[in-house]
Amino acid sequence: SYALTQPPSVSVAPGQTARITCGGNNIGSKSVHWYQQKAGQAPVLIVFADSDRPSGVPERFSGSNSGNTATLTVSEVEVGDEADYYCHVWESYSNQVVLGGGTKLTVL
Amino acid sequence: QVHLVQSGPKVKKSGASVMVSCKASGYTFIDYYFNWVRQAPGQGLEWMGWINPNTGVTEIAQKFQGRVTLTRDTSISTVYMELSRLKSDDTALYYCARMCTSSWCPIPYGMDVWGQGTTVTVS
Repeated sequence: SYALTQPPSVSVAPGQTARITCGGNNIGSKSVHWYQQKAGQAPVLIVFADSDRPSGVPERFSGSNSGNTATLTVSEVEVGDEADYYCHVWESYSNQVVLGGGTKLTVL
Repeated sequence: QVHLVQSGPKVKKSGASVMVSCKASGYTFIDYYFNWVRQAPGQGLEWMGWINPNTGVTEIAQKFQGRVTLTRDTSISTVYMELSRLKSDDTALYYCARMCTSSWCPIPYGMDVWGQGTTVTVS
């Protein structure tokens, strides 16, 4: 079955840029979505279809996807961005949702 | 405004079954699939399955096949997740989330609205 691999943690200082990766076999051929989950809250969709943002999501959040790696980039990181981030693809072969293991973003 | 409202917390004994509901409002119920995703304490998100509320067709993750049943009641815009033969490691927060799969979808295959989560504790 298809699998997505994320680093368990990423740390950055405020104002810097955080990059969170999501690895999968030929993931560049799939549409990747990203969710932010803050402590005690339900996940929130922040990037869909590789690089689009739902209304209300700051432009500081952007996405890219090529080859075997999709990347969520958080520019000018703020303390309030501290959260767990998950990637997601739709596996059309099996008609199933595949979720990455999640990455904890720590703002130093 | 679109909302998914889930039922309240449940406490069950090992071996029992639990049913969690998810009521949709603010949009056309049958236009979006419903996914069920759970999160054990301190762990990541785990996809359990989806239901097409228009047809009742479901897809269940292999890990949960034989234990999870997804149903819907279109008359009250509500979907249900039943988990049977509960074990202690089923203790988790259970979420429903809608997902659009049609060609007209503004956010195809993304889970754009989530319920608030339902805590299930297995003792």
